[in-house]
Amino acid sequence: QQQVKQSPQSLIVQKGGIPIINCAYENTAFDYFPWYQQFPGKGPALLIAIRPDVSEKKEGRFTISFNKSAKQFSLHIMDSQPGDSATYFCAVGNAGGTSYGKLTFGQGTILTVHP
Amino acid sequence: KAGVTQTPRYLIKTRGQQVTLSCSPISGHRSVSWYQQTPGQGLQFLFEYFSETQRNKGNFPGRFSGRQFSNSRSEMNVSTLELGDSALYLCASSPGLAGGGEQYFGPGTRLTVT
Repeated sequence: QQQVKQSPQSLIVQKGGIPIINCAYENTAFDYFPWYQQFPGKGPALLIAIRPDVSEKKEGRFTISFNKSAKQFSLHIMDSQPGDSATYFCAVGNAGGTSYGKLTFGQGTILTVHP
Repeated sequence: KAGVTQTPRYLIKTRGQQVTLSCSPISGHRSVSWYQQTPGQGLQFLFEYFSETQRNKGNFPGRFSGRQFSNSRSEMNVSTLELGDSALYLCASSPGLAGGGEQYFGPGTRLTVT
């Protein structure tokens, strides 16, 4: 059972464009929704995360939009740069309770930003 | 603060052998989670330790085990290695307290089984 569906698998944009990556989840018990960025040969780096009590969160050029009723959330990268070219993963988890410490990841999106 | 460190960074083992990987979390963090990353299966949760106790476990066979020490450092062990165990093994550090949830990953250990 795929608990987190991420799309698209790959994405190509021009510098300055706004790539959008989407994730859908099934279990309404999740209450923690992070996005990670991974460069080749490196571990995933936490970019931004949101809790279900807000619909949007912005940190620098990265914005998460959250739709609780649709069980979907998305990552927007404003003014994208070639240095943003990486693989992006969404994840779901719990900020407390018995499932704390376990993240379930989407399959990843390979983003390429052309100069 | 120093980040999460993992040793060794690269390992080559033969099928049937066993391997031990090490993870040192961020200072003050009490939770360590382990993940396996492969091109086919993506990032999959192995287990999580908090205060020397396994608190959560993923769907991996018993050949995969771990432990955590009193200083929060953690090790994972894979016995009777199979070719399919070739992967990047990542550990993630977290404060471990309710209300948080953020996990910070190390660079990983690349395991190749031949």
